[in-house]
Amino acid sequence: QQQVKQSPQSLIVQKGGISIINCAYENTAFDYFPWYQQFPGKGPALLIAIRPDVSEKKEGRFTISFNKSAKQFSLHIMDSQPGDSATYFCAAGNTDKLIFGTGTRLQVFP
Amino acid sequence: DAMVIQNPRYQVTQFGKPVTLSCSQTLNHNVMYWYQQKSSQAPKLLFHYYDKDFNNEADTPDNFQSRRPNTSFCFLDIRSPGLGDAAMYLCATSSPQFLNEKLFFGSGTQLSVL
Repeated sequence: QQQVKQSPQSLIVQKGGISIINCAYENTAFDYFPWYQQFPGKGPALLIAIRPDVSEKKEGRFTISFNKSAKQFSLHIMDSQPGDSATYFCAAGNTDKLIFGTGTRLQVFP
Repeated sequence: DAMVIQNPRYQVTQFGKPVTLSCSQTLNHNVMYWYQQKSSQAPKLLFHYYDKDFNNEADTPDNFQSRRPNTSFCFLDIRSPGLGDAAMYLCATSSPQFLNEKLFFGSGTQLSVL
């Protein structure tokens, strides 16, 4: 009940395209779902997060879609840019625990 | 800029030789975390401090210890590093009202074990 499954493992997108990364969780006690962005040689940085009381959250080009009944959530990056090339980690948790997904390496080509 | 600083950036140690990694923060956060991240894997929580209260994860090996002498500093001690301990070690902080949320990570220490 503690896994967070993330897909795809890697993603190649052309500049201007939409990048979509999916995650699924098991523990229904989780109430916080963040996405972290990690550039090579750097620590992860919080990108955007959602709570289960809303189905979607948008910040600029980044949108989280959340499906509570399916226990799934996804990150959409609109108008993907080469500067978005990084590894993206979803996570799920609460005040007791935060579980990270295995990461998606995104490459955006000009 | 307020930040989380980890030193050294790269650390090479020998099999079985104790090693200490350090983390400092200027965010004045009460909570500090240590994560282990192996290549192409998710960060895995080793333990965290809530002020001086130490919280160990159940599956963290005894080989890993930590010290927090004050709010700003936290150390990770690996008593007898094995080859399987080679990884990126990430320090993170959060304020107590955002426990396990809004984590601020350092750039990590890449540990190699020869």
